[in-house]
Amino acid sequence: NAGVTQTPKFQVLKTGQSMTLQCAQDMNHEYMSWYRQDPGMGLRLIHYSVGAGITDQGEVPNGYNVSRSTTEDFPLRLLSAAPSQTSVYFCASSPQPDREVDGYTFGSGTRLTVV
Amino acid sequence: AQTVTQSQPEMSVQEAETVTLSCTYDTSESNYYLFWYKQPPSRQMILVIRQEAYKQQNATENRFSVNFQKAAKSFSLKISDSQLGDTAMYFCAFKDGGSQGNLIFGKGTKLSVKP
Repeated sequence: NAGVTQTPKFQVLKTGQSMTLQCAQDMNHEYMSWYRQDPGMGLRLIHYSVGAGITDQGEVPNGYNVSRSTTEDFPLRLLSAAPSQTSVYFCASSPQPDREVDGYTFGSGTRLTVV
Repeated sequence: AQTVTQSQPEMSVQEAETVTLSCTYDTSESNYYLFWYKQPPSRQMILVIRQEAYKQQNATENRFSVNFQKAAKSFSLKISDSQLGDTAMYFCAFKDGGSQGNLIFGKGTKLSVKP
């Protein structure tokens, strides 16, 4: 049971480049989300999904796109990377969006640097 | 909108002693959940303890316990018999009982346990 798998673990991008951060879970969780962690800011929600085909914006969605074509995968796309997107990104999943059942499972994070 | 405030950016404690981390939150919801997460240098997010708002009894998990004061909207974490492995960032988080299931995090407290 792998839990939540994020790839890559580290990435350096040049300003203006695009890339996709991958997130996959094998627990059949309905809810998935993306957070970014910056020093002194805690974790802030970027986008989330309560099921396949359903996505919505969080607190800091600008510059990021998501899609949820399957229950297992929830990729995060940076269309044109900017230095302000330098951060650590976490993907998290949960069994059901409207109940706290077993808590949230987090991936191990992706450290992204935009130069 | 709900907010979570951790007023102590950094704390330190001697090994084997007790430390309390503070957390306050603001919400108009009556049904919600509160969490403490630990993030060691490995970057992994680890659930330490959780509390359902409808439960009056404070949650405990081994050396970790909370003081949940619903009227005051306070949710502090007490770590007893501190160990070197407790050195980490600690995040307080809130989740309302509604359909979205999003976690809202405080900015974190960096705890150092000194030998």
